[in-house]
Amino acid sequence: SQKIEQNSEALNIQEGKTATLTCNYTNYSPAYLQWYRQDPGRGPVFLLLIRENEKEKRKERLKVTFDTTLKQSLFHITASQPADSATYLCALGGSKLTFGTGTRLQVTL
Amino acid sequence: DAGVIQSPRHEVTEMGQEVTLRCKPISGHDYLFWYRQTMMRGLELLIYFNNNVPIDDSGMPEDRFSAKMPNASFSTLKIQPSEPRDSAVYFCASSLRGAEGRNEQFFGPGTRLTVL
Repeated sequence: SQKIEQNSEALNIQEGKTATLTCNYTNYSPAYLQWYRQDPGRGPVFLLLIRENEKEKRKERLKVTFDTTLKQSLFHITASQPADSATYLCALGGSKLTFGTGTRLQVTL
Repeated sequence: DAGVIQSPRHEVTEMGQEVTLRCKPISGHDYLFWYRQTMMRGLELLIYFNNNVPIDDSGMPEDRFSAKMPNASFSTLKIQPSEPRDSAVYFCASSLRGAEGRNEQFFGPGTRLTVL
């Protein structure tokens, strides 16, 4: 069955550092991969989408890579800030998305 | 646009009661999704509609769950009878089919359901 794995342990980093979150998947050949941010008590918010034929996508301080050979996506936040603290979810699919369980990021001063 | 609107935001009910959750998608969006989120299972897709027609309901846990979309601006998710294990946050999301079939989804604030 399809499986999406994100690190369930929280990632704690210091302000100004680069945060790197991982999304691994199995039994899946997605055309697209998306990343969402979720704050406590709120719904997920779309951040970035990357296609299977794209290696890298950037948006301001965010960067996503997509390696279909390794079946892995990396999500980077450069110059992280306390306001970046949230849970980050990866999702695979097109019209219908399957979400990972998310990784909680905590950025401290 | 006000975004996806869900009501109620919180619902506390007793086991066996009927629960109805409501959703108003973003105007013009042609896809609507219902998700359930729990700590144990994460965000799970229950059912989704395209142009008001149910496309995939394979995530609906059992016959106690039903969803309707009578028009493009309204959808309901009903649980009858409710059970304590249905306690979760239920999200509605909508999207507009973009080029190449990719859809970024816009989520509502969710309904936190507690079944006692």
